[in-house]
Amino acid sequence: EAGVAQSPRYKIIEKRQSVAFWCNPISGHATLYWYQQILGQGPKLLIQFQNNGVVDDSQLPKDRFSAERLKGVDSTLKIQPAKLEDSAVYLCASSLTWTSGLAYEQYFGPGTRLTVT
Amino acid sequence: AQTVTQSQPEMSVQEAETVTLSCTYDTSESDYYLFWYKQPPSRQMILVIRQEAYKQQNATENRFSVNFQKAAKSFSLKISDSQLGDAAMYFCAYGGATNKLIFGTGTLLAVQP
Repeated sequence: EAGVAQSPRYKIIEKRQSVAFWCNPISGHATLYWYQQILGQGPKLLIQFQNNGVVDDSQLPKDRFSAERLKGVDSTLKIQPAKLEDSAVYLCASSLTWTSGLAYEQYFGPGTRLTVT
Repeated sequence: AQTVTQSQPEMSVQEAETVTLSCTYDTSESDYYLFWYKQPPSRQMILVIRQEAYKQQNATENRFSVNFQKAAKSFSLKISDSQLGDAAMYFCAYGGATNKLIFGTGTLLAVQP
């Protein structure tokens, strides 16, 4: 079974530029998560999708971050414009569904390390 | 709001020895899940073990076991017969009614040959 795929693995941009990350979840997984992991911290949930609908985006900085999951499969996370404090690893995860219990069998991708200079 | 605290930023263990990583959490919920994730340098988060709060029996997965103390809100991970491949960052995580995971700050485990 193929795992969660993410690209790119690394990205370096200057502040005020834009960047996009791509995630392909495990086939058949209805729920998709984007996390931000700042160096020295645990991952923090940015947004959660159930199929192509948003379940939770309470911690997404909506003035600069956006995410979509068209057709309920692949997802894209965008930052525009980037700030220095956006430097982090962006992790994508998926799970079969999000009803209690099963939501937590989350499978993570390798992440994208973003450096904003 | 729920919080997860890992008070050991770094730990070290000799190969083949046993090590225990600590985690405490705060919640007012009665039904929840607790997890330990491993994150090696490759950055891929791997689920090590999970514990349902309603279960009194401590979870075990091969060399990994937990000591779950619900009243004390403590959830420690014991790694027996440590191997070089166990070296990684370990995160404790809480999952409750909101269906999202809350992670601690992690413990970096080094395994000495």
